[in-house]
Amino acid sequence: KQEVTQIPAALSVPEGENLVLNCSFTDSAIYNLQWFRQDPGKGLTSLLLIQSSQREQTSGRLNASLDKSSGRSTLYIAASQPGDSATYLCAVVQSTGANNLFFGTGTRLTVIP
Amino acid sequence: NAGVTQTPKFRVLKTGQSMTLLCAQDMNHEYMYWYRQDPGMGLRLIHYSVGEGTTAKGEVPDGYNVSRLKKQNFLLGLESAAPSQTSVYFCASSPLGRGQSPLHFGNGTRLTVT
Repeated sequence: KQEVTQIPAALSVPEGENLVLNCSFTDSAIYNLQWFRQDPGKGLTSLLLIQSSQREQTSGRLNASLDKSSGRSTLYIAASQPGDSATYLCAVVQSTGANNLFFGTGTRLTVIP
Repeated sequence: NAGVTQTPKFRVLKTGQSMTLLCAQDMNHEYMYWYRQDPGMGLRLIHYSVGEGTTAKGEVPDGYNVSRLKKQNFLLGLESAAPSQTSVYFCASSPLGRGQSPLHFGNGTRLTVT
């Protein structure tokens, strides 16, 4: 069974710092990977979707990379702001044809003004 | 544009009681999903639907039933609630399956079973 791990579980950084969040998965036979943001008491918001054939995706200050062979993805946030404080989750879909997303437990990010 | 709406937002049940969670989406999405989120665990798929009138089991379907009689609605039922079903339940929808398009989530239903 696919296992998705996100380390660290929590991270605090000062405002303006660039940072990297990590996601690793045990089975490299994935179809795609998504990064989500979750604010307290809210649902998840999709940030970036990377297909298995892609190496990275960018949206504004966010850049996500994917290395299937090593089972890793990173989410790079440039010039962090207090409004970036949230929990960030990654999820993968297997290439076997299933509709299930396997989620990590997330990294809780706090950006300190 | 409301997106995905879940009702109720909170609910407390006694063991053995039943309830239905309602999810409604106004984006004309084919795919709809029910997930549960528990502390220390990632979201886990309970059931999903690939279109009106269809349902399929996810990773943790036991103790739950679902129905999709109308394209815009996806209902999750608990016939006899157990304390192990205490969780936050999220509904999501997407136009395409297999994560090919971003999922849109509701704000969740926090369920406590005593």
